[in-house]
Order: sequence, then C-alpha cells, then structure tokens
Amino acid sequence: DAGVIQSPRHEVTEMGQEVTLRCKPISGHNSLFWYRQTMMRGLELLIYFNNNVPIDDSGMPEDRFSAKMPNASFSTLKIQPSEPRDSAVYFCASNNQGGYGYTFGSGTRLTVV
Amino acid sequence: KNQVEQSPQSLIILEGKNCTLQCNYTVSPFSNLRWYKQDTGRGPVSLTIMTFSENTKSNGRYTATLDADTKQSSLHITASQLSDSASYICVVSSSWGKLQFGAGTQVVVTP
Repeated sequence: DAGVIQSPRHEVTEMGQEVTLRCKPISGHNSLFWYRQTMMRGLELLIYFNNNVPIDDSGMPEDRFSAKMPNASFSTLKIQPSEPRDSAVYFCASNNQGGYGYTFGSGTRLTVV
Repeated sequence: KNQVEQSPQSLIILEGKNCTLQCNYTVSPFSNLRWYKQDTGRGPVSLTIMTFSENTKSNGRYTATLDADTKQSSLHITASQLSDSASYICVVSSSWGKLQFGAGTQVVVTP
C-alpha cells in the first residue's frame, strides 16, 4: 500500500495566484481530512469528507479556500487567490469510518511570496 | 483554550537515555488518545492508540500510558536513539469523532 499520496510536495507561488493541492487517500478508506500545520497554530482541521461528501468545513479559513472530492480516490484543496499568510504545510489524511487509525500523507509545503 | 496540552514544549536528551512526554486533555466525551511521531518534513505517523479501557500500550521502545480518570497520558521513550529526534503529538478523539491536537513536544536526541 502506497499510503496517502499528496502532490506536489512543495509549491512556491506568488500572492494572488491560484494553488491546487491534491490528495489520493488509501484505497478503501471512506473518510478524508485536510489539515494545515503552522508553527504558531500546530495542526488544524480544515475540512473532512465522508463517502466523498463534505461533512464539516468549519475549519476552512475563508472563502478563498475550497475543497472537492469528486470520487473516492481523489481530493483537491484549492486556494484562490493565495496570500502569504496561507504559507504552511497542508496534510491530507484518510481513515475508515469507525476505525481508529488515521494515516497522514507526507504533506505539501506551500510558500506564498 | 486548547483541549490538549502537552509538556514540555521541547527537550534535549542524550542518546541512550530515557524520557517521558506528558499530555493532559479536557476533551469530552472521550473516545481514544493517540500519540504520533512527526519527523521534520514528513507527515505524522501513528505510534499508539488507546481507548478508555486501556492503561498502557507499547510500540517497541515507545510506551504510552493513559489515566482516563485524571485525563492524563504519557509517552515514555526508552534507550533513545538519534532517530527518535522528532515532534511527538498527542491527539485526543471525542466520541463524535472530532480530533483535538496538542501542540507537540519537540525531542532532540544528541550523541
């Protein structure tokens, strides 16, 4: 099992540009989570999906952030337009509903200049 | 206020020594508590998961304890190795499935 796969690993973009982060969860996992990690705030849940349906997006900071899960094997997190304060590491994790184990991807380090 | 508090924020230990990390939580209703290890530039990796009825769980040189009455957990690292240098994150799940993350303890093992 390749685990949770995220791309790209690193992204550097100019302020105002659109950024799209991608995640492929573990096959068979039906819950997918997007987290943001910064030194100041640690790990924060942005949004999570269950069976491809967004369940809780209360952690999404503002309308510039959007997430989609068109099918069970793919999700995107989009920031448009990006701002320097969006610079962080974005993690995707997946889980079996009711299971205890969460598996995290390696993250995407986003730098907005 | 964060519902999961970890201490210390950071620590430096000599290779071969033991150390203990603390996690206090107020998450309720409690479901389970996990310890994760996060290497620099990597995603968190699960070390242990404990439910209400479990007091201790080991994973190699890592031993986690849980006191659900006092809402405290500890992670003990035995005979530390250089590869143990990482951030250790305590994560508590409520019965509704929502995870609360601690800020982590940064461990540095020196030769």
